[in-house]
Amino acid sequence: KQEVTQIPAALSVPEGENLVLNCSFTDSAIYNLQWFRQDPGKGLTSLLLIQSSQREQTSGRLNASLDKSSGRSTLYIAASQPGDSATYLCATNSGGYQKVTFGIGTKLQVIP
Amino acid sequence: GAGVSQSPSNKVTEKGKDVELRCDPISGHTALYWYRQSLGQGLEFLIYFQGNSAPDKSGLPSDRFSAERTGGSVSTLTIQRTQQEDSAVYLCASSYGQSEKLFFGSGTQLSVL
Repeated sequence: KQEVTQIPAALSVPEGENLVLNCSFTDSAIYNLQWFRQDPGKGLTSLLLIQSSQREQTSGRLNASLDKSSGRSTLYIAASQPGDSATYLCATNSGGYQKVTFGIGTKLQVIP
Repeated sequence: GAGVSQSPSNKVTEKGKDVELRCDPISGHTALYWYRQSLGQGLEFLIYFQGNSAPDKSGLPSDRFSAERTGGSVSTLTIQRTQQEDSAVYLCASSYGQSEKLFFGSGTQLSVL
């Protein structure tokens, strides 16, 4: 059974700092890995999706990397802003029924 | 529609009552997922629909939970004889296919008193 772990559970940084969020997974046989953002009381917004054949994906100030062999992914946020404050979740898509397994998330606070 | 739509956004019910939660996926999306998110917990998979195939119900926590998807579009999650432990946010997501990006609705906050 796939297990997805995100460390740290919470992170507080001053505005302008670059930061890295970590995601690890136990089963490397995945189709893709997706990073999401969740604001309080809201659903999840997809940020980046990395297919299993890819090493990284970039969107604006966000860069996500994938190392299947080590079961790790990172989300890099450059020049953080207060509007980046949210919970960030990673999820793997693997297995016969294409179920998606989520981590519990990292709660990010960017202090002005 | 422009996005995944869920209704109601909030539902307060009494223990023992039945509730129905609705999800309207993005037009053309063949895959539809239901998840449950409890306070401080990760997302818990409930059920998965893919096209006209039989749904994967392996995540439903008890036989009080059921779901259907009519015409390959709108889905309804039904919880019978609700219990307090059913209180959570119920999230619906859809995608074009099994390995494509997931798009989530805003969820239904269910509170069982």
